[in-house]
Amino acid sequence: DIQMTQSPSTLSASIGDRVTITCRASQSINRQLAWYQQKPGRGPNILIYKASSLESGVPSRFSGGGSGTEFTLTISSLQPDDFATYYCQQYNSSPYTFGQGTKLEIK
Amino acid sequence: QVQLVESGGGVVQPGGSLRLSCAASGFTFSYYALHWVRQAPGKGLEWVALISFDGSNRYYADSVRGRFTISRDGSKNILYLQMNSLGTEDTAVYYCARDGRGGTLLGSGYFDNWGPGTLITVSP
Repeated sequence: DIQMTQSPSTLSASIGDRVTITCRASQSINRQLAWYQQKPGRGPNILIYKASSLESGVPSRFSGGGSGTEFTLTISSLQPDDFATYYCQQYNSSPYTFGQGTKLEIK
Repeated sequence: QVQLVESGGGVVQPGGSLRLSCAASGFTFSYYALHWVRQAPGKGLEWVALISFDGSNRYYADSVRGRFTISRDGSKNILYLQMNSLGTEDTAVYYCARDGRGGTLLGSGYFDNWGPGTLITVSP
């Protein structure tokens, strides 16, 4: 199975900050990577697929990048609605696996 | 708009069985592969099972293979998860999710729409 490792596990930031979350895969995943946002008590919402493609309706302050085994999710200017937990997921091969999550907190 | 609504959750004893349902609407059900994903309390996400858009192919995580069965009813637009031999490690919120790529047998493997989830608690 492909292991996905996110860093940091927790991130404290302020409104307006630019933040980046990193996701590393245990082997190359051919940019078959998605990012999700999850708020307490709710199902996740997709933000990014194919490493850098923005899902329809997702604000443009979210962007994804990377290739091979290292990927990033960047939020260019944090808004109050962005404080949540973020997960990466590889879908290059089954079983599809997730990172452990990054909790984005208000500083 | 796309809607997925899970039901069937509850408390069950170890060794017991439960069947989850996921009612789908707002899209062409037969065009998409579908998945179950679970999340143990306070933990991360774990993919559980995939069924192809026509129901002909099914794939499972090692942790549930042989105990869980995914199925779908195109006449009712419902996705199911039959769970047998439940253990405490199966306690989680179970989400149904639509694959992000329609029109392909197994989809792509990412999830573009999720339900709100249903909680399964396995406890003596």
